[in-house]
Amino acid sequence: RKEVEQDPGPFNVPEGATVAFNCTYSNSASQSFFWYRQDCRKEPKLLMSVYSSGNEDGRFTAQLNRASQYISLLIRDSKLSDSATYLCVVNTDNQGGKLIFGQGTELSVKP
Amino acid sequence: GAVVSQHPSWVICKSGTSVKIECRSLDFQATTMFWYRQFPKQSLMLMATSNEGSKATYEQGVEKDKFLINHASLTLSTLTVTSAHPEDSSFYICSAFPGGSYSGANVLTFGAGSRLTVL
Repeated sequence: RKEVEQDPGPFNVPEGATVAFNCTYSNSASQSFFWYRQDCRKEPKLLMSVYSSGNEDGRFTAQLNRASQYISLLIRDSKLSDSATYLCVVNTDNQGGKLIFGQGTELSVKP
Repeated sequence: GAVVSQHPSWVICKSGTSVKIECRSLDFQATTMFWYRQFPKQSLMLMATSNEGSKATYEQGVEKDKFLINHASLTLSTLTVTSAHPEDSSFYICSAFPGGSYSGANVLTFGAGSRLTVL
């Protein structure tokens, strides 16, 4: 079983749609959680951290369920510019550094 | 914000040659840098943790004699792919935590990556 699993997609949605990505992780001792965005042939960039209470940043909402070891990302009112691969990332090392990446979920937003 | 610079962005080489990739922290000091590799349609895989002034820590399955890491200063880590073969063709990315007073001090910051193609 992979340490971090995501549905690879691709998700093809029209502009304005709401789309949700799911992620599960295997290590119950995982400390912190993130969603990164990666554009084609580029480096990953942090989209948002994920907190136990859930958090929102504009059109993006992240949720964490530690009991189920499940993380989600909701994108509302999708824009063309949201097209990218979204990476679920888990840090199992409280000292920082050892991030485990999911394979990513590809999103394509169409006009 | 904190910047990690990686060079070269693209490199094409013949099988059997060695390729060096540089990773620099431009406006902060990094005692630790991380090297990842990403094959097409796959996740980033941590290869090794580069430690300034000491030996790198390699992840299981990564050949330390093939992927030489040198972290000689607080702002520079290098990855050398020795005797490269076509199966080493991949996207190599370095990263570091800026730390200090940066607002994103605990956010892993990536270099732009180096795309290696071995013919």
